Amino acid sequence: GEDVEQSLFLSVREGDSSVINCTYTDSSSTYLYWYKQEPGAGLQLLTYIFSNMDMKQDQRLTVLLNKKDKHLSLRIADTQTGDSAIYFCAESKTNNAGNMLTFGGGTRLMVKP
Amino acid sequence: EPEVTQTPSHQVTQMGQEVILRCVPISNHLYFYWYRQILGQKVEFLVSFYNNEISEKSEIFDDQFSVERPDGSNFTLKIRSTKLEDSAMYFCASKPDRLNTEAFFGQGTRLTVV
Repeated sequence: GEDVEQSLFLSVREGDSSVINCTYTDSSSTYLYWYKQEPGAGLQLLTYIFSNMDMKQDQRLTVLLNKKDKHLSLRIADTQTGDSAIYFCAESKTNNAGNMLTFGGGTRLMVKP
Repeated sequence: EPEVTQTPSHQVTQMGQEVILRCVPISNHLYFYWYRQILGQKVEFLVSFYNNEISEKSEIFDDQFSVERPDGSNFTLKIRSTKLEDSAMYFCASKPDRLNTEAFFGQGTRLTVV
């Protein structure tokens, strides 16, 4: 079955870049996502990448996809204290159920001032 | 901005009791989902719902679980006889159509079974 793995924890200093990594096993994944969860809040979609792309940039966020190695990363430039949260990688495939998501365990990002 | 709303935010129930978790998806959305996250574990897919029927469900979604869209606006998850291991955060999500990439999530309901 599908599996998505992430490291548990990342600590950076304010102003530095953060890189959160994710690996997945299902080569038929169509879309790969990054969600953010702040304390007490729901899951907020940050960005996504289609599986035929290598890179996507959206303001401070850069997503890199290495399809051969099944490796996805999220780079946050100029990390701010407000970026402290749990970041979830997720994958989906187009199917009759309308793209159900398979999530990783989440990476807790702590940004120190 | 439209959002998915879930009630209650926290539900405490005794083992063996029935609970109903409620969700109001975004009004023009057609696909609805329930996910759950046991503390310290991954967010797991439970069930998807489209055109008034279940379109896919996971192994977790056994006979103790059911979903309903009783009135065209609410989307509910019922657990008939709760177990301690049902304690988790339950997230509702909706999408406007099958191909849309973004699923909009609610804030979650924390269910505690004692």
